[in-house]
Amino acid sequence: DQQVKQNSPSLSVQEGRISILNCDYTNSMFDYFLWYKKYPAEGPTFLISISSIKDKNEDGRFTVFLNKSAKHLSLHIVPSQPGDSAVYFCAASGTDGSEKLVFGKGTKLTVNP
Amino acid sequence: NAGVMQNPRHLVRRRGQEARLRCSPMKGHSHVYWYRQLPEEGLKFMVYLQKENIIDESGMPKERFSAEFPKEGPSILRIQQVVRGDSAAYFCASSPRTGQNGYTFGSGTRLTVV
Repeated sequence: DQQVKQNSPSLSVQEGRISILNCDYTNSMFDYFLWYKKYPAEGPTFLISISSIKDKNEDGRFTVFLNKSAKHLSLHIVPSQPGDSAVYFCAASGTDGSEKLVFGKGTKLTVNP
Repeated sequence: NAGVMQNPRHLVRRRGQEARLRCSPMKGHSHVYWYRQLPEEGLKFMVYLQKENIIDESGMPKERFSAEFPKEGPSILRIQQVVRGDSAAYFCASSPRTGQNGYTFGSGTRLTVV
């Protein structure tokens, strides 16, 4: 049962344009959401997070939007740069006191020069 | 300040052998997490440990897998009698306290079972 879903395995955008990566979740007990970026042969690197009490969090070129009613979040990267090319994972954690993260399968972003 | 160190980076084992994966958390981090990534999949939680304690092992397969984080030394993920399906990337993460924002992942160990 996939509790965190990233339905687009890949996304290709032009340098300078906006990249929008989407993530849906099914567990209404999730209250904290994170995005990780992963290059080949490296571990995931934390990018940005959002608590369920907010609907937007911004950090430089990266903005995460949360729509709780739709159980949907998205990561916007503006402007996209070739160095942003990587696999992006959405992750969530819940209110059960557990420290574990539930990850989506990832979206491979390619930013073309 | 070195990051989370995992070794070996690559490990090849024959079916039936044992695999030992090591993880040294960042300095000052007392919480360690192990995740597994199968091909074309996201990371799946395996186990959460603090020094000398297993806090949550709900993601660990019931047999052949064990983990420890001793008072001294690295955390060890041990897989006995490996099978082809154990081939995956195993990532360790550490944090200084509870709270997912503090997760720092290592570069992983890629286990191949032949």
